[in-house]
Order: sequence, then C-alpha cells, then structure tokens
Amino acid sequence: EIVMTQSPATLSVSPGETATLSCRASQTFSDNLAWYQQKPGQAPRLLIYAASTRATGIPARFSGNGSGTEFTLTISSLQSEDFAVYYCQQYYNWPLGFGPGTKVDMK
Amino acid sequence: QITLEESGPALVKPTQTLTLTCTFSGFSLTTAGVGVGWIRQPPGKALQWLALIYWDDDKRYNSSLKNRLTITKDTSKNQVVLTMTNADPEDTATYFCGHRTPWGSYYDYWGQGTLVTVSS
Repeated sequence: EIVMTQSPATLSVSPGETATLSCRASQTFSDNLAWYQQKPGQAPRLLIYAASTRATGIPARFSGNGSGTEFTLTISSLQSEDFAVYYCQQYYNWPLGFGPGTKVDMK
Repeated sequence: QITLEESGPALVKPTQTLTLTCTFSGFSLTTAGVGVGWIRQPPGKALQWLALIYWDDDKRYNSSLKNRLTITKDTSKNQVVLTMTNADPEDTATYFCGHRTPWGSYYDYWGQGTLVTVSS
C-alpha cells in the first residue's frame, strides 16, 4: 500500500502571496497523482490530475509538479476563495490513497 | 452535466449493515473506462477511499476494511450501491460518491455527501 503524506499540516499565507504545498509518496510512481480542494461543508473539487494537468475550469494560478515520490501544488497570487484544505491522491495502484491534507489559512 | 447524489440512513446502530445509494445522471456506467467510487470522511478528518466499480462490473475495495464492503451497480436505474456490514462508531463519517474518469482513478465529479452516524 502506498502511504501519502503532506506537509505542512497548516500553511498561513496572506492574500496575493504564493503557497507551496508538498505531497510525498512512500513508493515511487510516475504521474498518477491528483490534487483536490475542499471547503467546509463541501465535497472535494478536482484541481489537478496526472500531477500537472489542470482540470476543466481551474484557474491558471494553480499548478502541479513532480514525479517519483515528491509532488507539489503551487497556488500563485492567493485569492480569498483559495483558503481551504488541499488533498493529494495517488491512483497508481490499489488501494487508492489520499494524503492527510494541508489547510491553507489566512495569515 | 454530470451529477451524483448519495442517499441512505442518517443513523445506524452498531453491528447493523449500512446501505448507501449513489444516484447519478449525465453519464452512463456502460461507457468504457467509466466508474463510480465511494470515499468517506470522518468528522474533521481526511478522505478515505472505500471502493470502486467499473463499467464492466470489475470491482476494487480498500482491503483495510476487511471484506465488510460490497459495491454493486444497477445501470437501468443509474445507481451504485455500497453496503458495509458490522457497522462501528468509527464508521461515522460523511460518505461521498464520485465519478471516475475514463483516463484514471481520480474523481472529477462528486456528490454532496451524506452524513452517517453509527451509534446505539
């Protein structure tokens, strides 16, 4: 089973700044990684798949990178609506697995 | 437009069987590559993937749940059903269903979730 970890657990950022979130896998794989955003009381929203491809309708300020065991999600020029919890998910093998999440809150 | 909606009991007693239904529209579960999965989230905690059923009736489960799960589909009703036996208070969570894309087991559309509490 691939274990996903995320860091930091909480990231405090001011609007307009850049946030960099990390996701690490316990085993290496290519690019079978997705990122989701979740706001309180809502379902997760797909942001990125294949490690770096933005989903339909996702603003260009969201970008994904990485392969192997290290992946990053970068949110440039953070907007007020970007404060949320972000999860990574591997879909390389079974069972599918999510990371514990990174909460991005306002500094 | 793809939509999914979960339904099921809000309260289940320990040891009972939990049955959840995902009713979807905007896609067919007969289309090659498509699937519907279940994911849950205990209050204040992270997402946990549970199960997935493919268009061809292939099924995948989270083995950590020790064979308590069964996923089935009814393509005529556009529904996917998840049953979980021997419910435990630790199964208290919001349960989501999601549309698996034809290109990989990630979820591009989600239902709004349904909160299930396991308590006597």
